Amino acid sequence: KAGVTQTPRYLIKTRGQQVTLSCSPISGHRSVSWYQQTPGQGLQFLFEYFSETQRNKGNFPGRFSGRQFSNSRSEMNVSTLELGDSALYLCASSLSGSQETQYFGPGTRLLVL
Amino acid sequence: AQSVTQLGSHVSVSEGALVLLRCNYSSSVPPYLFWYVQYPNQGLQLLLKYTTGATLVKGINGFEAEFKKSETSFHLTKPSAHMSDAAEYFCAVCEAAVNKLTFGGGTRVLVKP
Repeated sequence: KAGVTQTPRYLIKTRGQQVTLSCSPISGHRSVSWYQQTPGQGLQFLFEYFSETQRNKGNFPGRFSGRQFSNSRSEMNVSTLELGDSALYLCASSLSGSQETQYFGPGTRLLVL
Repeated sequence: AQSVTQLGSHVSVSEGALVLLRCNYSSSVPPYLFWYVQYPNQGLQLLLKYTTGATLVKGINGFEAEFKKSETSFHLTKPSAHMSDAAEYFCAVCEAAVNKLTFGGGTRVLVKP
């Protein structure tokens, strides 16, 4: 089976712009989670989608949003970018539910100038 | 809220020596515990996980971890380090009924020839 794929792998944006990141889960996986990784804050949970619904949410401002499509693919959007949004954004998929193994994609590295 | 502490942000070992990475967690209920490895410019790869049952868990690449409830620990070991083990290692706990991973700060392993 193909693993989790994320596009694009690298992005450069300027402050105030918005960005959309994409994640395709492993075939058959219905849960998609997003994490932000920075040197200062480490790995932090953004949100989780399951069956096109946001099921869990971390402590991030409303500028961070996401959605999931009927084929389980997910997108994450960040509006009004700030310098501090520069990070590696990781997507993870799992079969369905609670406490299952999450499989990670290679990430999208976002640089905000 | 659950939390994970990894003792030592950097560990240096000689090739062939024991690798020991420490992880302590706080949780009010029996957690699911994971170790992931991250190589440069890549996502997270699952090394092993503990759910229930046997407290000694074997993973990939010769790694194993022991769950000790009384010590709230889940330390990762490998008897003999290889150059390819140089990477960053993350311990994570998954909250019950929530598909969310809480990560420790990570431990970067350097392997000396």
